[in-house]
Amino acid sequence: GDSVTQMEGPVTLSEEAFLTINCTYTATGYPSLFWYVQYPGEGLQLLLKATKADDKGSNKGFEATYRKETTSFHLEKGSVQVSDSAVYFCAPGGEYGGSQGNLIFGKGTKLSVKP
Amino acid sequence: NAGVTQTPKFQVLKTGQSMTLQCAQDMNHEYMSWYRQDPGMGLRLIHYSVGAGITDQGEVPNGYNVSRSTTEDFPLRLLSAAPSQTSVYFCASTQTRVGHTEAFFGQGTRLTVV
Repeated sequence: GDSVTQMEGPVTLSEEAFLTINCTYTATGYPSLFWYVQYPGEGLQLLLKATKADDKGSNKGFEATYRKETTSFHLEKGSVQVSDSAVYFCAPGGEYGGSQGNLIFGKGTKLSVKP
Repeated sequence: NAGVTQTPKFQVLKTGQSMTLQCAQDMNHEYMSWYRQDPGMGLRLIHYSVGAGITDQGEVPNGYNVSRSTTEDFPLRLLSAAPSQTSVYFCASTQTRVGHTEAFFGQGTRLTVV
């Protein structure tokens, strides 16, 4: 069935380091792709999204490009900050998935950034 | 603008007790859903609703009931709590059913069943 595979954590980086969190998915169609972020003690909030192939989503210095040929949506940031410490979830949506467009979440990657 | 409001934020239940987790949204979204979050498991869909009067099961529906009598409210009922239902529960709403728009999440309810 349809699924999403996300790089497992936890990931620990020093401030100003480069971040990549890998995400790949299997799907029969062409879903929209989302990254959500969960800060400690909070619910999930949208970080960025891309709705079609080759689109690049970006927000708060984070970027991810919709790669149809590799079915991937890797999250990157050139210089992380302590405030980026959170759990990051990759989530295909749209017509993908068995529940009329529900998001299918990866298991999440916990990022800790040290000063 | 409140967005999605969940209550309570924390709850401890004894095995066999029942309770209702409340979820309300003020964005007039058609689509609402409940997820549970467990360590190493990501978020798993429990139940969802595509509009008032319409609900359906997600990936892990056993032990839970839902109803959607209004657009705004989507309560989740635990019929007879079990320790396996210890988890963090999130309610979400989206504007459309096809998932192309942003999902808004509540702050979560941390439930412990002893």
